Parts: sequence; C-alpha cells; structure tokens
Amino acid sequence: SQQGEEDPQALSIQEGENATMNCSYKTSINNLQWYRQNSGRGLVHLILIRSNEREKHSGRLRVTLDTSKKSSSLLITASRAADTASYFCATELYSKLTFGKGITLSVRP
Amino acid sequence: KAGVTQTPRYLIKTRGQQVTLSCSPISGHRSVSWYQQTPGQGLQFLFEYFSETQRNKGNFPGRFSGRQFSNSRSEMNVSTLELGDSALYLCASSDKGLYSSTDTQYFGPGTRLTVL
Repeated sequence: SQQGEEDPQALSIQEGENATMNCSYKTSINNLQWYRQNSGRGLVHLILIRSNEREKHSGRLRVTLDTSKKSSSLLITASRAADTASYFCATELYSKLTFGKGITLSVRP
Repeated sequence: KAGVTQTPRYLIKTRGQQVTLSCSPISGHRSVSWYQQTPGQGLQFLFEYFSETQRNKGNFPGRFSGRQFSNSRSEMNVSTLELGDSALYLCASSDKGLYSSTDTQYFGPGTRLTVL
C-alpha cells in the first residue's frame, strides 16, 4: 500500500515559475526523500530530509517537513523545461522505502 | 563510479513462464532493493538484500523471489508469470551500513517486462 500521497497529481506551469508539490504520509518515518523520474526510466534521488529536520535546500530545490502534520513540500524555483518529469515522495522506516503515486510536472517553454 | 545496471532492459514473456532479472549495484554498495512499478499500483517495494541476506520484504506472493551474491549483484525471479506482472522492475543500491537507515538509493534504468 502507498504511504505517501502527493498533491496535486498533475501540475502545469510556465518556465521560470516556481513549482510546489506536497506529500502527506500516515506513519512515523526516519526520513523522507524526493525522487524524479523521466518518462518511465529510473528514478533519480533529489533530496533527503530527516525526521528531526524542518527544512533543507539543494540548488533550486527546497524541501520542508512537518512531522506533526505528517506532511512535506518540495519547491522547485525558477523552473526549466528540463524539470518536466514525475516527482515522487518516499518515506523511509526500518530500511524500507514506501513511495507515493507521484506528481506529473509539465513545464511549458 | 559506474551506476546501477540492470539486464535485460526489455523482456517479453508469456503467461506461465518464469523470468530472471539481474542487477549490478554501484561498486561498494551492499544493499540492493527491488521495486515494481505499474500505472495502477505505482511503485511498490518487493524486497531488500544486504550482504546476501534478505532484510526486508514487501507484500508480494511467493512467486517473486530474489537473491544476492557475494559480489552484491542481485537477481530477482518471477515464476508462473501472470498478465498482471507486466511492469517496470527497478533495482536500487545504497551504501548504507548494517544498522543505519536507508539514506540515498541509486536506481538503475529498470527492466520493462511484458507478459502476453
């Protein structure tokens, strides 16, 4: 069963705009991770935030984690056409990753 | 370092057959996990191997099995294939230790299995 649920399911924005994606989960976690997948290929790890962290940055990515609300958000700033992909949040507990169903992001040039 | 490699990349089988997929992790990584991805169910965890031992298992029937060799390479086997087994099978490796959490997983390109 899926633990993480991303919101929205699909997002379409113009190049240069910011994209915000949300993820909610149900149980305790050790960490939460975001991955990107291009057209049914392998997943690429974007960023990991541990359960005792509240915010983390990596380049144009900013992730927040609110363990009291069991939710996380991923912000991609100044989006590019190359950011078009599916994005997944994954929660980790006891060495097991559980993925959400993903968000399809389309960035229009 | 070379990334995670999976062979074959594409596979077509018929119902009732069995299939073996192979995964070579990043050099030095001892943890290998397998996932099944379908449009309906999304990404689902199959199992994880660490130092030749299955450490975690998802909710899949016994037709799905795996193993890991001493060089950390891993194989997964699906017996008595069903139409619903058609999916992208992804392998991921991690350099996590025996008692540490997952940290970053590095995924291979996947094997696209079609069952006719």
